[in-house]
Amino acid sequence: GIQVEQSPPDLILQEGANSTLRCNFSDSVNNLQWFHQNPWGQLINLFYIPSGTKQNGRLSATTVATERYSLLYISSSQTTDSGVYFCAVGQGGSEKLVFGKGTKLTVNP
Amino acid sequence: EPEVTQTPSHQVTQMGQEVILRCVPISNHLYFYWYRQILGQKVEFLVSFYNNEISEKSEIFDDQFSVERPDGSNFTLKIRSTKLEDSAMYFCASSAQGAWATEAFFGQGTRLTVV
Repeated sequence: GIQVEQSPPDLILQEGANSTLRCNFSDSVNNLQWFHQNPWGQLINLFYIPSGTKQNGRLSATTVATERYSLLYISSSQTTDSGVYFCAVGQGGSEKLVFGKGTKLTVNP
Repeated sequence: EPEVTQTPSHQVTQMGQEVILRCVPISNHLYFYWYRQILGQKVEFLVSFYNNEISEKSEIFDDQFSVERPDGSNFTLKIRSTKLEDSAMYFCASSAQGAWATEAFFGQGTRLTVV
């Protein structure tokens, strides 16, 4: 099955810093989503981005489907950005999303 | 904004007991899913449900698990005889079309602890 690799596994930042999280996938995809799992365990939809670039406030994402990767940018990070960021992909012919192992982000004040 | 809601938020059960986790998907969605996340691990697909039947399931989804849409709004996951290793966060999700085609939205999760 498709493999989803996220890097880095852990990231520690000072408040106000910028960061880039990466998601590599091993095969072509029809769906790619980024999620933020907050400290209470909730999965928050950030982006649905099978290709192209999107921005939402301090967050933006880019997926280059032909090269099988996606990037999530967080600018001017805040302590509330802490948590785990997951990338998940979907392929044609399958109902499931396959998740990566996540990047654990800690933003210190 | 429409959202997927799950109840209960937390459930503690004794090993061997049956549990039912409940979900209300987004109202105009047609595809429903259950995922689970063992503490500290990644989120794993369990099952998808479309047109009142299971459309895909993973190896995890064995005979101990079942899903049902008992009415027009609820979607449930039943675990017949819980084991310690069933302790996890269970997420319900829904999408307007299949997960390969549109965005899937997740509920806040039910944390199941089997003791």
